[in-house]
Amino acid sequence: SQQGEEDPQALSIQEGENATMNCSYKTSINNLQWYRQNSGRGLVHLILIRSNEREKHSGRLRVTLDTSKKSSSLLITASRAADTASYFCATGSGTYKYIFGTGTRLKVLA
Amino acid sequence: GAGVSQTPSNKVTEKGKYVELRCDPISGHTALYWYRQSLGQGPEFLIYFQGTGAADDSGLPNDRFFAVRPEGSVSTLKIQRTERGDSAVYLCASSLNQYTEAFFGQGTRLTVV
Repeated sequence: SQQGEEDPQALSIQEGENATMNCSYKTSINNLQWYRQNSGRGLVHLILIRSNEREKHSGRLRVTLDTSKKSSSLLITASRAADTASYFCATGSGTYKYIFGTGTRLKVLA
Repeated sequence: GAGVSQTPSNKVTEKGKYVELRCDPISGHTALYWYRQSLGQGPEFLIYFQGTGAADDSGLPNDRFFAVRPEGSVSTLKIQRTERGDSAVYLCASSLNQYTEAFFGQGTRLTVV
């Protein structure tokens, strides 16, 4: 079963533009993580945001969390061709079982 | 190494054979997870270990799948009588505990022919 649903499913932008991806989920969570995946292999951890946090930054990444709307967004500023990848949100509901969405496939055109 | 290590990176096996997939977690991480990812999908939870014990194996699809972590470090996912539908990327992750970031290995791509 899936908890998180990313939107859009696919996104294509020009290098230098900002990319925004959204994640909606269904049940209460303790935290939410965003991951990047290149070429269908290992997942790279980007940011973990806890349910009592509203926004976190890491370099060119900005994550927001709105628990009232059960949604999160990932913003990548000044995108680069190397940001081309699939991005997943994973929700943790106080247990170890992180539930992943189907991902957003981002393509950054040089 | 500093990260989660999975071996082999690729495994091709014939239908009906037995396979073992290995995961070396980050040193000191007590929590270990196995996930399975099919093409175009997000990772699906299989099993979680806290220390040596399987705290939750509810994601294992059937009794052909089994995983162990005898010393609380390295884990092995075992699949008996493999079927073509078992073909997927098997991902292992570890974390300090259940509330912290989970770090993934590069995965093992299993192909059953």
